[in-house]
Amino acid sequence: RKEVEQDPGPFNVPEGATVAFNCTYSNSASQSFFWYRQDCRKEPKLLMSVYSSGNEDGRFTAQLNRASQYISLLIRDSKLSDSATYLCVVIDKLSFGAGTTVTVRA
Amino acid sequence: GAVVSQHPSRVICKSGTSVKIECRSLDFQATTMFWYRQFPKQSLMLMATSNEGSKATYEQGVEKDKFLINHASLTLSTLTVTSAHPEDSSFYICSASRGLVNTEAFFGQGTRLTVV
Repeated sequence: RKEVEQDPGPFNVPEGATVAFNCTYSNSASQSFFWYRQDCRKEPKLLMSVYSSGNEDGRFTAQLNRASQYISLLIRDSKLSDSATYLCVVIDKLSFGAGTTVTVRA
Repeated sequence: GAVVSQHPSRVICKSGTSVKIECRSLDFQATTMFWYRQFPKQSLMLMATSNEGSKATYEQGVEKDKFLINHASLTLSTLTVTSAHPEDSSFYICSASRGLVNTEAFFGQGTRLTVV
């Protein structure tokens, strides 16, 4: 089993829609989780940390489910600029998920 | 925020030659740096963990004699692709973190290697 697994998508959503996707991790002792965004041919950029209590940053909501060992990212009111690949990161040795591609269409 | 600088950003080399990629943490000391490789439309794949003052830890399937990693100081790690072949053409990216608990990772800009 891979350390971190994501639904690769792609998720094609209309502007204004809500999109959500998960990332599962195998190490129950993992402590820190992040969502990164990667645009084509660029380095990943931190989108947000994922806290145990769940956290929200504008249109983005991240949640952690330790019992089922997954984290989630929800994007509300999608914008064209949200089109990217979203990578989940589990901090054991900075393991990355394969990324979820989101394409927002006009 | 912290800055990690990677150089060069793009390199084209002939098959059989070696290429060195540098990764520097500009405003913090990084005892650990990570090297990744990313093929088109795929995720970042961890190649090795670079530890200052000791040997790097390589992931399964990564040839340590081909991908030489040196972490001589707390701010510099280098990756040398030796005897490069066209199949080594990829996007190589480094990352550094102040720690491994509740600290984000900072990425270099990446190096696009093309072996012809």
